[in-house]
Amino acid sequence: AQSVAQPEDQVNVAEGNPLTVKCTYSVSGNPYLFWYVQYPNRGLQFLLKYITGDNLVKGSYGFEAEFNKSQTSFHLKKPSALVSDSALYFCAVRDMGMNTGFQKLVFGTGTRLLVSP
Amino acid sequence: SAVISQKPSRDICQRGTSLTIQCQVDSQVTMMFWYRQQPGQSLTLIATANQGSEATYESGFVIDKFPISRPNLTFSTLTVSNMSPEDSSIYLCSVPRGAGSGEAFFGQGTRLTVV
Repeated sequence: AQSVAQPEDQVNVAEGNPLTVKCTYSVSGNPYLFWYVQYPNRGLQFLLKYITGDNLVKGSYGFEAEFNKSQTSFHLKKPSALVSDSALYFCAVRDMGMNTGFQKLVFGTGTRLLVSP
Repeated sequence: SAVISQKPSRDICQRGTSLTIQCQVDSQVTMMFWYRQQPGQSLTLIATANQGSEATYESGFVIDKFPISRPNLTFSTLTVSNMSPEDSSIYLCSVPRGAGSGEAFFGQGTRLTVV
């Protein structure tokens, strides 16, 4: 089964500084990788995805992610953090449901990003 | 894009009772997904609901505990039956964003507390 790991429960960064939220993956075959963000009292929102092509993927709100096959990583990055970026970030990988045969998303445990003014 | 509305947004329930969560989508979709997000943990897929057929459940989830209805292409319900405090979670409805990519839209979730 496919899986992703987010080694950090929380990341703290000052506004204006670059941020990185880490994600590593374990997959068989070519990975379909995603980042989602969850703001307080709101559902998950799609940020970006990697399927094939350029290793640097650009997404919403100025975020980007770098796919690194040798390190099996898909870290989320932003050059200059905003206080409004404070939220819960989930890395995810596409998998096939063992019972269902349908595609599904397998999520990491999430990383809380806190951006201080 | 799809707009997903979930009701209720939150509830506090007594153990042993059941709660039905509604999910309404503003467009017709073939597949709908129900996820659980336990406190401090990740999202876990409960089941996939296709219109016109029974829902298919992931390992560890059973229909008796989490019955699902899918009466049409824009609506689904998830019932959490015979609740215990361990069922306290956020339950999220989701629909695919495009075909085959794995992307998804999510509702805002239902925060359930069982006392």
